Amino acid sequence: DTAVSQTPKYLVTQMGNDKSIKCEQNLGHDTMYWYKQDSKKFLKIMFSYNNKELIINETVPNRFSPKSPDKAHLNLHINSLELGDSAVYFCASSQQLNEKLFFGSGTQLSVL
Amino acid sequence: RKEVEQDPGPFNVPEGATVAFNCTYSNSASQSFFWYRQDCRKEPKLLMSVYSSGNEDGRFTAQLNRASQYISLLIRDSKLSDSATYLCVVNGRNFNKFYFGSGTKLNVKP
Repeated sequence: DTAVSQTPKYLVTQMGNDKSIKCEQNLGHDTMYWYKQDSKKFLKIMFSYNNKELIINETVPNRFSPKSPDKAHLNLHINSLELGDSAVYFCASSQQLNEKLFFGSGTQLSVL
Repeated sequence: RKEVEQDPGPFNVPEGATVAFNCTYSNSASQSFFWYRQDCRKEPKLLMSVYSSGNEDGRFTAQLNRASQYISLLIRDSKLSDSATYLCVVNGRNFNKFYFGSGTKLNVKP
């Protein structure tokens, strides 16, 4: 069984559309994250949730809205997609805050 | 100044070589350090944690130098399968947050 799974793997969409990426972990971890990896391969934290509560919210445009229905799920909804949103988005989880991260396989988002 | 800095490489080495990467970090109060490996078009995977006294896992040795604020990764007897990007990860001023280096690319050639 995949520990951290995210869907879809690829997402190609037009500017201005709204899209969602889903993430689930079956590791029993308390903390989940969204990271963005840009074209220069730099991984940057976007959001972190601990037991369904938002812990970290980086300076991310409010077009990005995370939602955690329970501690095993953390979804990412993006409104009014822009060209600059094109990147690979990784979901991750850790047992607790500040512990080693386990990543999903990534969602490659291409905004045309 | 970036929280974590790495030489992007690439490091091109022959099979069997020993190669070392360094990574510097800016927050002297950082407590957690890791090396991750990322293959092309894949997710980062934990290679090893880095402990204060240094630690070894097979051909891989990680060291922490708090005085100079850097961590290192040594790979002995390089294999073709070691070819990947190695990411340094450190927690920053906000201890709930990890910062990733931009990665060091390693190419092991036959």
